[in-house]
Amino acid sequence: EPEVTQTPSHQVTQMGQEVILRCVPISNHLYFYWYRQILGQKVEFLVSFYNNEISEKSEIFDDQFSVERPDGSNFTLKIRSTKLEDSAMYFCASKPGWGGQPQHFGDGTRLSIL
Amino acid sequence: DAKTTQPPSMDCAEGRAANLPCNHSTISGNEYVYWYRQIHSQGPQYIIHGLKNNETNEMASLIITEDRKSSTLILPHATLRDTAVYYCIVRVYGGNKLVFGAGTILRVKS
Repeated sequence: EPEVTQTPSHQVTQMGQEVILRCVPISNHLYFYWYRQILGQKVEFLVSFYNNEISEKSEIFDDQFSVERPDGSNFTLKIRSTKLEDSAMYFCASKPGWGGQPQHFGDGTRLSIL
Repeated sequence: DAKTTQPPSMDCAEGRAANLPCNHSTISGNEYVYWYRQIHSQGPQYIIHGLKNNETNEMASLIITEDRKSSTLILPHATLRDTAVYYCIVRVYGGNKLVFGAGTILRVKS
């Protein structure tokens, strides 16, 4: 069964450094998402992406965050200058089209900021 | 999107059916009910979704009341591997984000 894949599974970065989290959504899916989950807290929506542009973003997704679909298969989340509070699990999700279809999630990248 | 209410935790004996309730009394006509689960810190796993009819797939059944104000996820024969946090989420047709609550911690015990 096709799945969303995320790399790396664990990323350790010094505070202030830039980090890029990578995702390969399910082939032929058109809508892409990033969520995060701080340890012990709820899963939170960050951003949605469709047709090469952001369709919705949360207040968490400030200027230090950006997303990109650099080619036909990858979807990336960049954090420009990491802070300690960016430490979390980051989940990528995708869905095939508009409407009621469900989103499918990857297993996440654990980001640890030192 | 309408809010949902779920019990914080439930226990179930291995091999028995697990029935997880969800209240969504303010749901509107174009909102779907989705169920996901999360095992440890893995990514949320899609289980099932529905609009107004009952649904069944290889993982579970979803029973939606006639007034659509509540629903029940049924795992017919729970195993230890079904121990997880289960999320009931309501999202409008064509909507973007999923809003996760605290969910229900289901513990399956032998």
